[in-house]
Amino acid sequence: GAGVSQSPSNKVTEKGKDVELRCDPISGHTALYWYRQSLGQGLEFLIYFQGNSAPDKSGLPSDRFSAERTGGSVSTLTIQRTQQEDSAVYLCASSLWTGMNQPQHFGDGTRLSIL
Amino acid sequence: GQQVMQIPQYQHVQEGEDFTTYCNSSTTLSNIQWYKQRPGGHPVFLIQLVKSGEVKKQKRLTFQFGEAKKNSSLHITATQTTDVGTYFCAGGAGGFKTIFGAGTRLFVKA
Repeated sequence: GAGVSQSPSNKVTEKGKDVELRCDPISGHTALYWYRQSLGQGLEFLIYFQGNSAPDKSGLPSDRFSAERTGGSVSTLTIQRTQQEDSAVYLCASSLWTGMNQPQHFGDGTRLSIL
Repeated sequence: GQQVMQIPQYQHVQEGEDFTTYCNSSTTLSNIQWYKQRPGGHPVFLIQLVKSGEVKKQKRLTFQFGEAKKNSSLHITATQTTDVGTYFCAGGAGGFKTIFGAGTRLFVKA
């Protein structure tokens, strides 16, 4: 079946602009994660959605970052008033939920470059 | 906050040599997952260990979960150039929470 789909694959924008990144998880996966990965670095947790529960936003670095998940499927990560330090690859992952964390399936990511 | 420490940060090996990366947590983990990220790619799930002292093998890869469920290791026997990439451990910290280590980047010289 189809994997996790992210769009756009690349985004170049000017400092101060808003950007929206999209993630379409694997069908049937109720858990959805957003991560940020700077060049050569590890995965920085941003936000987690599970079903209809309130999302865990504890990893969002500032109030310029927000995310939503409509209908328990597609998710959008929005960054307002982008800054150069926001440049990174933004990865989305989804997984089944069985009461314990399950293997995560990652998309190819969106490479965001802020000029 | 809760962290999973992973060492080494980098490892250069000659093709055919063995390689090991280690993960340590200050708290007990519910499980440990391992992922591989090829250069330019995204992390791909390799394996999950749940039981104390569990050992699993995938061809030349051997994964271990410590008796106290606080540490884990990934050992690759006789590395090949196809093993190049970054290996991440990810510890289950209760509920949905999965904490990723910083990763070990493996370089293999032919």
